[in-house]
Amino acid sequence: EDQVTQSPEALRLQEGESSSLNCSYTVSGLRGLFWYRQDPGKGPEFLFTLYSAGEEKEKERLKATLTKKESFLHITAPKPEDSATYLCAVQVPQGAQKLVFGQGTRLTINP
Amino acid sequence: NAGVMQNPRHLVRRRGQEARLRCSPMKGHSHVYWYRQLPEEGLKFMVYLQKENIIDESGMPKERFSAEFPKEGPSILRIQQVVRGDSAAYFCASSPGTGIEAFFGQGTRLTVV
Repeated sequence: EDQVTQSPEALRLQEGESSSLNCSYTVSGLRGLFWYRQDPGKGPEFLFTLYSAGEEKEKERLKATLTKKESFLHITAPKPEDSATYLCAVQVPQGAQKLVFGQGTRLTINP
Repeated sequence: NAGVMQNPRHLVRRRGQEARLRCSPMKGHSHVYWYRQLPEEGLKFMVYLQKENIIDESGMPKERFSAEFPKEGPSILRIQQVVRGDSAAYFCASSPGTGIEAFFGQGTRLTVV
């Protein structure tokens, strides 16, 4: 069964304190791995898509990397506005476009 | 270019009533997906549609739930005879094609009382 596990469930950092969020996956034939950000009461906001091991993408203070079994979202010198829930999802290949999401990591950046 | 539009944003229904959730995809997007987010749970896939076709409904409960994406107009997720367990946030996403990132709407929060 396709599975996505994110860790930690919650993370509190001080402003400027860099860290990484983990997304490990078990899927037969990865078609794509997606990172989204979700603010309370809002829909997920697209951040990155990664397709193959070794691929990296960056956007402002965020950098996403991908290996054969997991992805990391690195946050460098975060600011309070980076506080959100970060969702990882994998696209499964079986005939459809559906995404299988992890439970998310709730990130809080204290000023 | 407007994003994915969902309405209503909040919907309250009594047990046994029907709920209709609407989703207008982004301009140029012909693929629509519905996801459900139960309290304290992750997003779960429900159904994937293209214009006038249901492509994958493997995540949709077998009873009371239906979805459509007509040739004209928004996609509709319909829940008949709602129960308390249907209370959740329902998100719609759209993409211009397969294998391309999907963009989400702000969701409809359904509360069944």
